[in-house]
Amino acid sequence: NAGVTQTPKFRILKIGQSMTLQCAQDMNHNYMYWYRQDPGMGLKLIYYSVGAGITDKGEVPNGYNVSRSTTEDFPLRLELAAPSQTSVYFCASSVTGESTDTQYFGPGTRLTVL
Amino acid sequence: KNQVEQSPQSLIILEGKNCTLQCNYTVSPFSNLRWYKQDTGRGPVSLTIMTFSENTKSNGRYTATLDADTKQSSLHITASQLSDSASYICVTSRGYNKLIFGAGTRLAVHP
Repeated sequence: NAGVTQTPKFRILKIGQSMTLQCAQDMNHNYMYWYRQDPGMGLKLIYYSVGAGITDKGEVPNGYNVSRSTTEDFPLRLELAAPSQTSVYFCASSVTGESTDTQYFGPGTRLTVL
Repeated sequence: KNQVEQSPQSLIILEGKNCTLQCNYTVSPFSNLRWYKQDTGRGPVSLTIMTFSENTKSNGRYTATLDADTKQSSLHITASQLSDSASYICVTSRGYNKLIFGAGTRLAVHP
């Protein structure tokens, strides 16, 4: 199993540009998550999904959109990129949404908005 | 306010030495506490998880402790190795889909 994969690894955007961060998992997990990690800060939840076709906002959803058309894929869309979105983005998945269930993280995408 | 604070922010130790990382939390209600290891350029990987009724959990050379009364946890690393160089993140949970992450302690193990 590849686990959770993310593409691209790095990206530089200009202010106002858009892009999609890709995330895929091959563990047949129902739950998927997007987090951002800013320097010196803990991970913050952006969006999550409990299954195909179902998504919900996390703590910091503004400026982002998600979709979940399949169990495997959970892309994160940035519209009109802003410098405040410069961060490292992690996708994760778990079997259930219970807090005792382990979340498995991808390697991350480092995004810089200039 | 629900918070997780870790100390120290960074730590340098020599290979073979032991170290202890601290985590204080103010999360309420409290469900469980987990320690993650994050290698540079990688995603976090779970090391241990403890519910409020557990006060210690080991994973090889890693031992986590939890004091739910004082809302403190520690992660003790025994006989450190160069591969232990990473960030260690304390994560608490208020329940379903409500994880709160600490900022992490960056550990460097030098030969």
